[in-house]
Amino acid sequence: AQSVTQLDSQVPVFEEAPVELRCNYSSSVSVYLFWYVQYPNQGLQLLLKYLSGSTLVESINGFEAEFNKSQTSFHLRKPSVHISDTAEYFCAVRTGFQKLVFGTGTRLLVSP
Amino acid sequence: GAVVSQHPSRVICKSGTSVKIECRSLDFQATTMFWYRQFPKKSLMLMATSNEGSKATYEQGVEKDKFLINHASLTLSTLTVTSAHPEDSSFYICSASRGRLDNNEQFFGPGTRLTVL
Repeated sequence: AQSVTQLDSQVPVFEEAPVELRCNYSSSVSVYLFWYVQYPNQGLQLLLKYLSGSTLVESINGFEAEFNKSQTSFHLRKPSVHISDTAEYFCAVRTGFQKLVFGTGTRLLVSP
Repeated sequence: GAVVSQHPSRVICKSGTSVKIECRSLDFQATTMFWYRQFPKKSLMLMATSNEGSKATYEQGVEKDKFLINHASLTLSTLTVTSAHPEDSSFYICSASRGRLDNNEQFFGPGTRLTVL
């Protein structure tokens, strides 16, 4: 069975500082990896994904994540955060039958 | 493109009543739809997967008689919480996929907040 671990339930950071949200997964088969963002009382929005190819994937709003197979990690990074990045971030893995397995989420709190 | 809507966004009901939540793909045909439940400060838990025209596949531990799922068309799936109780209060989110391939993206709805009094 697949599982996803997000060790940090909350990450406070000041505006314009860099941030890393950690994600580790467990799977015996090849996986697809995703980061989703959820703003208060809203559904999930896909931030970025790794399906194959380059292990470094980027989003349009400055986030990036790197797939590290040996460390079974898919950490999310941004070099300079904005207040508007405050949200809940979920890491997820998907294997067969399109089933997504989510981590417990990391709340990113950006303060001025 | 790829917009998924849910209705209602919030619903409050009395214990013992049934509540229906709709999930629609507005600009694409959704071969597969998924229903998730999200508890406060917890992850999303997949409840069931439904393919158009066939019965839903429920995850282990999810009561199929309590959470009725219907996927009658390629743009609409409904979740009915029957005989709702306070412990059913939660945030329910649906997602939809264009196809059945493993790399097909899921597009998520905005969620429905259910409160059972």
